[in-house]
Amino acid sequence: ILNVEQSPQSLHVQEGDSTNFTCSFPSSNFYALHWYRWETAKSPEALFVMTLNGDEKKKGRISATLNTKEGYSYLYIKGSQPEDSATYLCASKTSYDKVIFGPGTSLSVIP
Amino acid sequence: EAGVAQSPRYKIIEKRQSVAFWCNPISGHATLYWYQQILGQGPKLLIQFQNNGVVDDSQLPKDRFSAERLKGVDSTLKIQPAKLEDSAVYLCASSLGGRVNTGELFFGEGSRLTVL
Repeated sequence: ILNVEQSPQSLHVQEGDSTNFTCSFPSSNFYALHWYRWETAKSPEALFVMTLNGDEKKKGRISATLNTKEGYSYLYIKGSQPEDSATYLCASKTSYDKVIFGPGTSLSVIP
Repeated sequence: EAGVAQSPRYKIIEKRQSVAFWCNPISGHATLYWYQQILGQGPKLLIQFQNNGVVDDSQLPKDRFSAERLKGVDSTLKIQPAKLEDSAVYLCASSLGGRVNTGELFFGEGSRLTVL
C-alpha cells in the first residue's frame, strides 16, 4: 500500500496571506499527481493533474509544482481569500491505475 | 455533462442495521471507485471497478461490506451489519480509466453515514 503524506494537517491564515502545502508520495510506479479542492458540503474537484518531473501548473492565484524524482509536490496560494477555505487533497496515481489519497490539508482563511 | 450522482446524501442508522449507497458515474467512464472518508483522514479506497470487473478490493472489509457494478454502469455499496466505526462519508468517483490515462477523478457529493 502506498503512503501519500501531506503537511501541514491544518492551516489558519489571514486574508491576503500567501501559503503553501506539501505532498510527498512514493516515486516508484508513479504515473500522475492530482490536487483536489474539497469545500464543505460539496464534492471534491480537481485543481491540477501533473505527470512530468518539473511540471508547473497555474490557475488564477493557485499554482503547483511537481518533483517526481524525489517524490514531492507543492501547492501555492497567493493572496488567500475566504473562498479558498477548503480541504486540499493530494493523490498519487500509480502506473497500475491505483489512485491513493493523502490525509489532506485543511485551510481556513480568516477575513 | 451530468456529474456523478450519489444517494442518499445522509443516512442515520443504528449499529447492526444495514445500509446501501448508490452511485451513477459519468457516462462513458470505465473506472468507478468507492472511497471511505473518516473525519480527519484522507479518502481510503474501498473498491475499484473497471467496467463491471473488480480491480482492487484489498481494503474492503468483506465480512460486512459488499459492492457490485452491474452492467458496468451504476454501482451499489452495502454495509451489513454496520458498526460504529463505519460512520464516515462514502465517496463515489469515476474516471475514464486505463493505465495510460492521467486518471482525474470526478466525484459525487458523497453519502454521509452516521451509525448510532
